[in-house]
Amino acid sequence: SQQGEEDPQALSIQEGENATMNCSYKTSINNLQWYRQNSGRGLVHLILIRSNEREKHSGRLRVTLDTSKKSSSLLITASRAADTASYFCATERGAGSYQLTFGKGTKLSVIP
Amino acid sequence: KAGVTQTPRYLIKTRGQQVTLSCSPISGHRSVSWYQQTPGQGLQFLFEYFSETQRNKGNFPGRFSGRQFSNSRSEMNVSTLELGDSALYLCASSLAGGGADTQYFGPGTRLTVL
Repeated sequence: SQQGEEDPQALSIQEGENATMNCSYKTSINNLQWYRQNSGRGLVHLILIRSNEREKHSGRLRVTLDTSKKSSSLLITASRAADTASYFCATERGAGSYQLTFGKGTKLSVIP
Repeated sequence: KAGVTQTPRYLIKTRGQQVTLSCSPISGHRSVSWYQQTPGQGLQFLFEYFSETQRNKGNFPGRFSGRQFSNSRSEMNVSTLELGDSALYLCASSLAGGGADTQYFGPGTRLTVL
């Protein structure tokens, strides 16, 4: 079963706009990670946020984490056509399980 | 530093056959994880190895097995292939494994079972 659930499932925006994707999870976590996947390829790690952090930035990416609501959001500012990809959040199913559980992802399309 | 490599990149097999997929982690990484990705089920954890030991296994039948060698390279094997095994198989390597560690993914092996 999926630990994380992203929404929306698909998002289409114009180049230059901001894109916001949300992730909800079910159990307590130590960390939450966001990954990007270009069509049919491997996943690229974007950012890791720890459970004691509320917000983290990396370039045009901003991630927030609300452990009380068991949710996270990924904001991509000033989107580019190259940002077109699927975005997944991932959590570890229990400390020491070494198992990442992924949501079904948000498919982002950035129209030039 | 070279990334995670997976071979082969594409594979076509028929039902009942078996297949072996290979993953070479980033140099120095001792943890290798395997995931299956399908349109219906998404990304699902298969197993994780660290220093040749399997530390966790996902909810897959015994037809799915894996191993890790002393150089941290890993293989996974699927026996008696079924149509539903058609998927993108991804491996990821990291220093220590788990959610506290950035997982570096390979490009995947696309397996098609006819």
